[in-house]
Amino acid sequence: GAGVSQSPSNKVTEKGKDVELRCDPISGHTALYWYRQRLGQGLEFLIYFQGNSAPDKSGLPSDRFSAERTGGSVSTLTIQRTQQEDSAVYLCASGSDRTYEQYFGPGTRLTVT
Amino acid sequence: GQNIDQPTEMTATEGAIVQINCTYQTSGFNGLFWYQQHAGEAPTFLSYNVLDGLEEKGRFSSFLSRSKGYSYLLLKELQMKDSASYLCAVRPPITGTASKLTFGTGTRLQVTL
Repeated sequence: GAGVSQSPSNKVTEKGKDVELRCDPISGHTALYWYRQRLGQGLEFLIYFQGNSAPDKSGLPSDRFSAERTGGSVSTLTIQRTQQEDSAVYLCASGSDRTYEQYFGPGTRLTVT
Repeated sequence: GQNIDQPTEMTATEGAIVQINCTYQTSGFNGLFWYQQHAGEAPTFLSYNVLDGLEEKGRFSSFLSRSKGYSYLLLKELQMKDSASYLCAVRPPITGTASKLTFGTGTRLQVTL
């Protein structure tokens, strides 16, 4: 079956602009996660959604970052007034309620110039 | 707080055995994951340990000692395609399957002829 998909695969934006990154999880998965991976570094947790529960936003680095998950499926991560330090690969993952494993998408490489 | 340490880089020869270590100091623990990530690709799941001991899965094995805060990933009969980054990640003590993960910075393994 289809895996996690993300779009766009690459995004170049000017400092100060807003960007939206999209994630389509595996069908039927109830959990959806966003992580950030800066060059040469590990994955940094941002936010996750689980079913109808309130999202865990504890990893969002500032109020410029927000995320939504509509209809329990597709999620959008929005970064307002982008800064150069926001340049990274943004990875989305989804998980079922039967296993602990998280399935990752290919990521969106964001470059802020 | 959360602190996860892995060696930054390792080199090994095709056909050999390599052990990648991960030590962690976390405020709570409920399992440890190993993921493989080829350059420019999504991380893929390798193993999950929640109890002490060795779990073997083909050429890959993973070991956990909770009392020592220590895990290792053992790769046998190395192949060139095993050249990748190996990410260690810890799951906090949260009930249910959905949970944010805390990742180490990853170990970049290069397999040579």
